Amino acid sequence: QSVLTQPPSVSGAPGQRVTISCTGSSSNIGAGFDVHWYQRVSGTAPKLLIYGNSNRPSGIPDRFSGSKSGTSASLAITGLQAEDEADYYCQSYDSSLSAHVVFGGGTKLTVL
Amino acid sequence: QVQLQESGPGLVKPSETLSLTCSVSGGSLSSHYWSWIRQPPGKGLEWIGYIYYSGSTNYNPSLKSRVTISIDTSKNQFSLKLRSVTAADTALYYCAISLNPADPFEYWGQGTLVTVSS
Repeated sequence: QSVLTQPPSVSGAPGQRVTISCTGSSSNIGAGFDVHWYQRVSGTAPKLLIYGNSNRPSGIPDRFSGSKSGTSASLAITGLQAEDEADYYCQSYDSSLSAHVVFGGGTKLTVL
Repeated sequence: QVQLQESGPGLVKPSETLSLTCSVSGGSLSSHYWSWIRQPPGKGLEWIGYIYYSGSTNYNPSLKSRVTISIDTSKNQFSLKLRSVTAADTALYYCAISLNPADPFEYWGQGTLVTVSS
């Protein structure tokens, strides 16, 4: 059971917009810790997609955007492309017990 | 460009100790936090713990009793030891680095699969 909750799967047709939610609690996202998002294509290491809730690293297209509100965060992907089919993970920090890094369980995006 | 490479046995027997090393090239170990992360088959990512170049560590509470992360700055390497492994420890193990504990992991190794089986 992951500390951050993500939907197991989402899907969309090419060109559409999809969102992936990441729900935490008052000890992590709600405590003000940033949320980061990763894309993991099968057989490769996770790639940083969004950092600090809504910032894109160099080279990440602006089709990808992130937001955060309260104890939740969201990743939005517009203009869906076949190459976006991958697993997506959110990450934050948790201050319960001993402070530590936490991940979401991951969301499989299928491009129909 | 920083590059990380995991190495170690791909098969470990139950109750034994899993040992992995992460070799870093293209950068120094100082001023970053060096983490181990794993992904069991069909499951999500799980942070195992980190070590700072000074040697201070922090571990996932759920694994803390079995984990030791160490660093060898002279070799630009850091290592993971996970004791008393079971089949539940079978996973793809990654090493990764971040600038601060709550920061994103900017660089990742390619991952190494470790299977726990007799």
